[in-house]
Amino acid sequence: QKEVEQDPGPLSVPEGAIVSLNCTYSNSAFQYFMWYRQYSRKGPELLMYTYSSGNKEDGRFTAQVDKSSKYISLFIRDSQPSDSATYLCAMDNGNNRLAFGKGNQVVVIP
Amino acid sequence: EPEVTQTPSHQVTQMGQEVILRCVPISNHLYFYWYRQILGQKVEFLVSFYNNEISEKSEIFDDQFSVERPDGSNFTLKIRSTKLEDSAMYFCASSGQGNYGEQFFGPGTRLTVL
Repeated sequence: QKEVEQDPGPLSVPEGAIVSLNCTYSNSAFQYFMWYRQYSRKGPELLMYTYSSGNKEDGRFTAQVDKSSKYISLFIRDSQPSDSATYLCAMDNGNNRLAFGKGNQVVVIP
Repeated sequence: EPEVTQTPSHQVTQMGQEVILRCVPISNHLYFYWYRQILGQKVEFLVSFYNNEISEKSEIFDDQFSVERPDGSNFTLKIRSTKLEDSAMYFCASSGQGNYGEQFFGPGTRLTVL
């Protein structure tokens, strides 16, 4: 079983829709959970960082962590064309060695 | 806003040649990292560096790879004898003390080995 699984299938949504992304993981030692946004041919940009189960909100973005199910989610409300990017989940068990998902390509159609 | 910078943005080299990729981490950060991303694949951890020594390295980071902090600002990744399969985007990242996991990435260097 892969350490971090993220369905890489492209996701197209109309502007204003809610985008829902998720990752599952197998390593119960993961303590820290992140979402990065990556534009084409650029470096990953940290969007959200959390270390406990529950929800964390930042503007239009909500990160959700369910450690009992080993499942994390990212929700983007009122999506904009500028949100079109690849979204990567990443996890850390405290040794600063991030394990990434494969990334979800999101396209927001005006 | 402080950011991680990397040079060059694109490096083309012949198989067997040595390359050095350069990074300037965020100035008050103490932990430094290299990751790579082969086209279409996951971002993969290579190595972490703290207090002038390697903290962790992956199985990818073999004897062909080395890292160095030659001065107070630069952090370098050297590949001694490049192979075709080393072609990838290489990302440098840094984090501040205590901010486990909050790693900030540079824009990457695209390495093409011919």
